[in-house]
Amino acid sequence: NAGVTQTPKFQVLKTGQSMTLQCAQDMNHNSMYWYRQDPGMGLRLIYYSASEGTTDKGEVPNGYNVSRLNKREFSLRLESAAPSQTSVYFCASSEQAGSSYEQYFGPGTRLTVT
Amino acid sequence: KQEVTQIPAALSVPEGENLVLNCSFTDSAIYNLQWFRQDPGKGLTSLLLIQSSQREQTSGRLNASLDKSSGRSTLYIAASQPGDSATYLCAVSSYSGGGADGLTFGKGTHLIIQP
Repeated sequence: NAGVTQTPKFQVLKTGQSMTLQCAQDMNHNSMYWYRQDPGMGLRLIYYSASEGTTDKGEVPNGYNVSRLNKREFSLRLESAAPSQTSVYFCASSEQAGSSYEQYFGPGTRLTVT
Repeated sequence: KQEVTQIPAALSVPEGENLVLNCSFTDSAIYNLQWFRQDPGKGLTSLLLIQSSQREQTSGRLNASLDKSSGRSTLYIAASQPGDSATYLCAVSSYSGGGADGLTFGKGTHLIIQP
């Protein structure tokens, strides 16, 4: 039982390049989330998927797109990377959306955009 | 908009001491509050989840309390150990923070336990 896994662990991009961050969970959870963590800012929600087939914007969605590929997988795409997107990206999942359920986090992807 | 503040930003104490970490939030209409631990270069580990209807939760040497009306939570760590050294994050789920589905995080308390 690996929990929440993320690939890659590290990535360096040049401005304007695109890439997709992958996330998968093996806990049969319905809801999945993408956050970014920046020094001095704390973690902020980018997008979430309350259930398979649905996605919604969080606090900082600009510059990102997401795909809920199936119940297990939730990907985050940067179409044209900018230096402001240099951050650590965390994927999380919970059994259901809503207040009663803990969120479980992956190990993160450290992205640098030059 | 929900805002979460954690005080102190950093704390260093000798091994064996009991300690309290503080978390405050601006909008008391929360669904739940969750405490996490983050080790350097790692993801977040959930420690305790307190529903809005609860006053406290306990897990081993950890006890978290919630006072929704005053917008405060505390995490009490008993008999601290060097392995407790980490950054502790407080997060709330609230209507003004985007709904029950997303968490609003504080910036964390960096805790060092001296052997």
